[in-house]
Amino acid sequence: DTAVSQTPKYLVTQMGNDKSIKCEQNLGHDTMYWYKQDSKKFLKIMFSYNNKELIINETVPNRFSPKSPDKAHLNLHINSLELGDSAVYFCASSQESYEQYFGPGTRLTVT
Amino acid sequence: AQSVTQLGSHVSVSEGALVLLRCNYSSSVPPYLFWYVQYPNQGLQLLLKYTSAATLVKGINGFEAEFKKSETSFHLTKPSAHMSDAAEYFCAVSGSGGYQKVTFGTGTKLQVIP
Repeated sequence: DTAVSQTPKYLVTQMGNDKSIKCEQNLGHDTMYWYKQDSKKFLKIMFSYNNKELIINETVPNRFSPKSPDKAHLNLHINSLELGDSAVYFCASSQESYEQYFGPGTRLTVT
Repeated sequence: AQSVTQLGSHVSVSEGALVLLRCNYSSSVPPYLFWYVQYPNQGLQLLLKYTSAATLVKGINGFEAEFKKSETSFHLTKPSAHMSDAAEYFCAVSGSGGYQKVTFGTGTKLQVIP
């Protein structure tokens, strides 16, 4: 069983489009995250949800909107995609401050 | 406030040589510290963690790290590098207890030369 899964794994789209990435964890964790990893491998936290409540919202354009329908799911919707949004997006989960479990990533390419 | 500094964005070692990846942290509260590894085209995977128990922490794949409060360091070591150790390594810090934000370092790419 995959602990943290993301779909899709690859996403190629044109500027201006809207897209969503889905994440599910089956670990029973209470906290989920979205990270953006750029081409230099720098990992930047975007959002964090604890028990479906938003607790971290870093400086992210409001074109990005997370949604947590329940504790096991955290989706990311991106409006009006731009070239600079091209990156690998990782979902992760944890129980409180303990180690995070990462999904396999979604490679987003905006053309 | 917390931060992590990883010294050296690229480290090259010969196969069989000692691996030393440096991490210094800053935290206003007692920290939890982590090392993660990322293989190409994969997500991050936990190597080891320090959560205020033993200061010498052993992890997977023969890696270990020592928490040194006086030096605010948490360096990662492995006595003998394998080709399979080639990857990106991330140090991370969080506060302890309840929910605390985790801050990742900028990563160190380890190259293992045959």
